[in-house]
Amino acid sequence: KAGVTQTPRYLIKTRGQQVTLSCSPISGHRSVSWYQQTPGQGLQFLFEYFSETQRNKGNFPGRFSGRQFSNSRSEMNVSTLELGDSALYLCASSLAQGQGHSPLHFGNGTRLTVT
Amino acid sequence: EDQVTQSPEALRLQEGESSSLNCSYTVSGLRGLFWYRQDPGKGPEFLFTLYSAGEEKEKERLKATLTKKESFLHITAPKPEDSATYLCAVPGQGAQKLVFGQGTRLTINP
Repeated sequence: KAGVTQTPRYLIKTRGQQVTLSCSPISGHRSVSWYQQTPGQGLQFLFEYFSETQRNKGNFPGRFSGRQFSNSRSEMNVSTLELGDSALYLCASSLAQGQGHSPLHFGNGTRLTVT
Repeated sequence: EDQVTQSPEALRLQEGESSSLNCSYTVSGLRGLFWYRQDPGKGPEFLFTLYSAGEEKEKERLKATLTKKESFLHITAPKPEDSATYLCAVPGQGAQKLVFGQGTRLTINP
């Protein structure tokens, strides 16, 4: 079974630009979550989608947004990039149903560098 | 607020030297504790889920245990390929949100 696929693997953007990251979950997984990983803050939850609906959102500004498509694939968008947005963005999928919790399976991330 | 604290931040061992990593948590109603392994340049890889105090899970040289306040990841006779950052996490408020610790960076020298 193929794992979680994230594209692109690396991105270099300039301050003020916007960026879109893509995630394809494991086949059959309907829940997709996004996390930001930095050396200082570690892994922080961005948001989670299930059946095309955002179920939960972390403490990030409105510049960070996402969506999920009917095939469970997900995208996240960051507008008006700031230097502090440089990070590894990780997507994870799970078999989550309702409010229960099942293990997250992560992709290898997109490394975003903002200059 | 849910919190997860891991110690030590970094640990360097000789091959074959057993040790333990600690994960302490503060949550209102534990709904599971997760251990992950992360190699440089890769996403976290799921290792274990523990749900109740006294529960233990094993995988090769790793054994995870859980008490009411903390979890331990015991590594027995480690090999250089066990070098990685080990992360623990607990479910936060809301569906599928995980609160992660800062991780323990484990280095096994041959």
